Amino acid sequence: DVKVTQSSRYLVKRTGEKVFLECVQDMDHENMFWYRQDPGLGLRLIYFSYDVKMKEKGDIPEGYSVSREKKERFSLILESASTNQTSMYLCASSPGPVKSQYFGPGTRLTVL
Amino acid sequence: EDQVTQSPEALRLQEGESSSLNCSYTVSGLRGLFWYRQDPGKGPEFLFTLYSAGEEKEKERLKATLTKKESFLHITAPKPEDSATYLCAVQPMEYGNKLVFGAGTILRVKS
Repeated sequence: DVKVTQSSRYLVKRTGEKVFLECVQDMDHENMFWYRQDPGLGLRLIYFSYDVKMKEKGDIPEGYSVSREKKERFSLILESASTNQTSMYLCASSPGPVKSQYFGPGTRLTVL
Repeated sequence: EDQVTQSPEALRLQEGESSSLNCSYTVSGLRGLFWYRQDPGKGPEFLFTLYSAGEEKEKERLKATLTKKESFLHITAPKPEDSATYLCAVQPMEYGNKLVFGAGTILRVKS
């Protein structure tokens, strides 16, 4: 079974803090993704990576950056957290195009 | 613009009452259509992938079908444990690895 783990289930941060969310997958998947999920807006893609050190912007990259130094690990960075970044953050991995994405359990981030 | 619309937004069923969820999509070319189940506070769980019109996939009480413009998730004799949000996503030809998600259908099955 594919396993995608995220570093925290719940996180509370203050406005202006730098926030790191980590995601690790154990299936040697090429592709990894970061989404945020908000009520009424569904899942929106923030960034994705199709290889180590490669990244591409998704639909809502503003205010976020990512890092992929190793194949199994994909980090999402909020450079200066703001209240409108309060959300559920979901990481996913996939072996390639037209293959399913497998999701982690999510991190519920609250920015005060 | 590629778009995915799911209906209804919410559905309440009695245990054993079969029904269908709809996912209609507008894409220039479809690589694949995916169904996921999401329980409250958890990440989506993969159910099915469909690639071409006419294709069907089954798993326990769930059956997914695909036409050129929409997909249905049929739930036969549902049980309370089938209660969840069901998400549909499409992978358009020009997007490479990206998925476009619908907003989901919230299903509640009462005993």
